[in-house]
Amino acid sequence: DQQVKQNSPSLSVQEGRISILNCDYTNSMFDYFLWYKKYPAEGPTFLISISSIKDKNEDGRFTVFLNKSAKHLSLHIVPSQPGDSAVYFCAASALSNFGNEKLTFGTGTRLTIIP
Amino acid sequence: ETGVTQTPRHLVMGMTNKKSLKCEQHLGHNAMYWYKQSAKKPLELMFVYNFKEQTENNSVPSRFSPECPNSSHLFLHLHTLQPEDSALYLCASSRTEGEQYFGPGTRLTVT
Repeated sequence: DQQVKQNSPSLSVQEGRISILNCDYTNSMFDYFLWYKKYPAEGPTFLISISSIKDKNEDGRFTVFLNKSAKHLSLHIVPSQPGDSAVYFCAASALSNFGNEKLTFGTGTRLTIIP
Repeated sequence: ETGVTQTPRHLVMGMTNKKSLKCEQHLGHNAMYWYKQSAKKPLELMFVYNFKEQTENNSVPSRFSPECPNSSHLFLHLHTLQPEDSALYLCASSRTEGEQYFGPGTRLTVT
């Protein structure tokens, strides 16, 4: 059973427009959510995160929104740039018994920015 | 070198071979992780080490054997693997609580 779901495997957006990537989760114990970006032949790189006590976190062109009641989060990128073309992974965290962040990942959404 | 490094980047091995994957982090983190990414599947956590002690084993088959000699190095020893074990193996590190930093991964093919 997949606890973190990214239902759109791919998304194409015109350069300069807004990209919206969505993620749903099922485990109400998750208390921290992260977005990672992955280029080919590289490991995922951390992009932005949000704690469950907030509903919005903004960092430059990137904003993450959290709707706890709907168990849904989204990543907004505006304006979208060609360098944003990558696979984006949503991840959710529940602290393990030993204090480590145990991340559960979605399957990823491939974002393509069209020049 | 900075960040998290992994060697080799690509590995092809037969089902009877024994090989090891190596991960090294230069970030001063105390936690290290092994993940497996198969095609069209989410990243799956395999093992977690915190201050060299294994704190998570996510029901991984015994043909995968991790080793963490210190907080900067993590190995994954492989023996008698199956073709379905072919995947991208990613190492990550973090402080005890915090975002994880990933290496570039080792693309493993089992023939």
